[in-house]
Formats: sequence, C-alpha cells, structure tokens
Amino acid sequence: DAGITQSPRHKVTETGTPVTLRCHQTENHRYMYWYRQDPGHGLRLIHYSYGVKDTDKGEVSDGYSVSRSKTEDFLLTLESATSSQTSVYFCATKQILEWEQYFGPGTRLTVT
Amino acid sequence: AQTVTQSQPEMSVQEAETVTLSCTYDTSESDYYLFWYKQPPSRQMILVIRQEAYKQQNATENRFSVNFQKAAKSFSLKISDSQLGDAAMYFCAHHPYSGAGSYQLTFGKGTKLSVIP
Repeated sequence: DAGITQSPRHKVTETGTPVTLRCHQTENHRYMYWYRQDPGHGLRLIHYSYGVKDTDKGEVSDGYSVSRSKTEDFLLTLESATSSQTSVYFCATKQILEWEQYFGPGTRLTVT
Repeated sequence: AQTVTQSQPEMSVQEAETVTLSCTYDTSESDYYLFWYKQPPSRQMILVIRQEAYKQQNATENRFSVNFQKAAKSFSLKISDSQLGDAAMYFCAHHPYSGAGSYQLTFGKGTKLSVIP
C-alpha cells in the first residue's frame, strides 16, 4: 500500500474556528484527493490535485480550500468550521496512468 | 455526471454462505472502471475487486466475484463462503476511463454487511 498518513487523526473544534488537515504521501503519486464520508452519503469528493499547485473542485467543495505546494503534501482547510462539516475526512492518492486510488486512514473531525 | 446506487443499506449472511450485494450506475461513457471497496470498523478503505468496462469477462478475486452487466449498468458483488472478517461496509464506485472527471471516484452510499456465526 502507498504510504499515506493523515494528521491529525482526531480533532474536536468549535464553530467558527479555522482547521487544517494534512495529508502526506511518500509514493510520489501525482494525484491527490480529499473526500468526506457521512452516514447515508458514502464518500464524496471535496477537492483534488493533479500536480503541484494544480487543484480543482469536487462535488462538495463549498466551505473548503486546499493547497499543494509540494508533491507529498495536500492540505485541506476549513476557513470557518461549521457543524455541518463534522465528518470523517479521507485523503487518497493515485499515480499517473494507473487506475487505483490508495486511501489514508482518515481523520475524524467534530465541530461543536 | 456519474451516479452510483446501492439499494441495500444493510444485509446479513450466515457464515460460510453466499451473499450478493447490488450496485447500479449511470454513465454516458463507454469506457470506465468499476470497483468494490470494503471498509471494516477500522475505517480503512480496502480495494476488493475491480472491473474494466471493456472486458466482458467478470472479475474474480478468491472468494469475491462480480456480475458485470454493461447494458443494464449493473455491477453486483458476490461473496462466497462468507467469513466473520467479511463483516464491513461495502462501497461500489465508478471511475471514468478518460476525459473530464477522469481523476475522481464516484461512490455509492454503501451496504453494511453483517456475518452471523
């Protein structure tokens, strides 16, 4: 499996505070993704990156921003967290010309 | 846009028996990939099996096999000789082969499988 880590693994924060989640990979994969998982919704794509400094929106991007300043790191930022952003967040990576996405262990975020 | 539908929120199977999980999808493309992912209580997403749409032969991985019906846009997962470790949430997913949106997976809402000893 690709070496993908996410930090933090658990976080509780208050409404209105900024939050940044980090995804780090050691496989030099070109593509990186952020998904959120909610009961009854499966996994939904928030943002993705197809290279350093190249990002695009996914299905549920409102309230989120991302940055990728180097290949190995993909940051997801909630500028002002809301209770609706309480979720489990997964990072995934994929190499160019391959089909499989590799998932990180997930981050459970609770916004109170 | 692609959509993936899993119509069975929960299912159960007796240990050592066979169970089939259903998935249908909607796409306008002719080339794509389909996947089944398993998510045990540990939360880790584990790829179970994949199918390329251009292949007519159904994929098989040990006790896991699929029934891929391209015309019907159906992609079911059969688990044979069910084991306690098969208990998990199972997600069906679609990935376009190329073009716009080729970077992302579209998931169904999942089916929670329980295995009864």
